[in-house]
Amino acid sequence: GAVVSQHPSRVICKSGTSVKIECRSLDFQATTMFWYRQFPKQSLMLMATSNEGSKATYEQGVEKDKFLINHASLTLSTLTVTSAHPEDSSFYICSARDNGREGRTDTQYFGPGTRLTVL
Amino acid sequence: QKEVEQNSGPLSVPEGAIASLNCTYSDRGSQSFFWYRQYSGKSPELIMFIYSNGDKEDGRFTAQLNKASQYVSLLIRDSQPSDSATYLCAVNIGYSTLTFGKGTMLLVSP
Repeated sequence: GAVVSQHPSRVICKSGTSVKIECRSLDFQATTMFWYRQFPKQSLMLMATSNEGSKATYEQGVEKDKFLINHASLTLSTLTVTSAHPEDSSFYICSARDNGREGRTDTQYFGPGTRLTVL
Repeated sequence: QKEVEQNSGPLSVPEGAIASLNCTYSDRGSQSFFWYRQYSGKSPELIMFIYSNGDKEDGRFTAQLNKASQYVSLLIRDSQPSDSATYLCAVNIGYSTLTFGKGTMLLVSP
């Protein structure tokens, strides 16, 4: 149990295009999902917290108009990188907080990540 | 400010040895503690979580929590080369976001 999927796993796009990444909790409901970014050999960096049915909360320095987050259901959150540029190339990882299992209501499970390359 | 500190390593151990990974945290209100393993180029994978003081064992892994001293550790018994990865410590206060340490790289040599 506690599986989180991400799609696509890898995407290459041209500068200026928009890219949508989906994050799904497959066997549990997740009121809250998180989006992280990780550059090579660096730590995870939290970008935003995605709450089902409400606006996402962005971390300081993360442009909300560039990284659009939608959490329309208890099992799906999407991150859209708008007008992507080469500096947006990174490993984007989502996680979902399991809010239904006794004794484990704050555990986060990570998706496999999406590697974005902007040419 | 909530902080989680880990030695970046690398921690090198021979195959079959016990690897000991340590983590300290600054916020005494921290309630939940997690260890994740991250292989190079992959996303983090949950290994264990611990809420109460003491030890929690799961197979070759043992998590140890000492809230008074504000540290949490992970022991890996009978280390294998496949255990070579970066281990992330994370703490949570209630339903807040996880605060991650920068991770300790573990290298297990055959």
